[in-house]
Amino acid sequence: KNEVEQSPQNLTAQEGEFITINCSYSVGISALHWLQQHPGGGIVSLFMLSSGKKKHGRLIATINIQEKHSSLHITASHPRDSAVYICAVLVYNTDKLIFGTGTRLQVFP
Amino acid sequence: NAGVTQTPKFRILKIGQSMTLQCAQDMNHNYMYWYRQDPGMGLKLIYYSVGAGITDKGEVPNGYNVSRSTTEDFPLRLELAAPSQTSVYFCASSYSSRIYTEAFFGQGTRLTVV
Repeated sequence: KNEVEQSPQNLTAQEGEFITINCSYSVGISALHWLQQHPGGGIVSLFMLSSGKKKHGRLIATINIQEKHSSLHITASHPRDSAVYICAVLVYNTDKLIFGTGTRLQVFP
Repeated sequence: NAGVTQTPKFRILKIGQSMTLQCAQDMNHNYMYWYRQDPGMGLKLIYYSVGAGITDKGEVPNGYNVSRSTTEDFPLRLELAAPSQTSVYFCASSYSSRIYTEAFFGQGTRLTVV
């Protein structure tokens, strides 16, 4: 079993829908990252959080440390949101990042 | 600012050939990393560096070498390419030691070994 699990692996949506991507982890962490990887490969950091909730535009990331779970929400989804979303955790008291395998999102007009 | 620049974007190597993947960042970040991304797998850390002159192994270092002679550059060397090294390689950099701050990634290098 991977130490970082994402669900779903694949997700399709119609433009305007509310999207939720989940990340569960089994190790103690200092922080959790959400990353976006567009077709063509570039990876962009969306959020880094260690507690609570962060919002940036239509993106919202939440984390529950006790339950070892984080969610990434996209409100009013748009075809340009189509990408692979990757969760990565920074293992507590180390420099080690463990990556999830990603969730492939496709948003159709 | 250019951020993190990786070259080349694509490369095909024959078994046993050597090559260097280049990575440069212009943000004066101390920390730099090389990852590989295999289909259906999360990114795996190959090597990392905490500053010029200092490098250390990650999870999957076999078959690779790195050097960090300057803060800006962190090249990854494949000495004897093998099919198992077919992957997409990402270079990343960050300011702080535990990546509490944002990590910046390059565009990736898609390497095929035949």
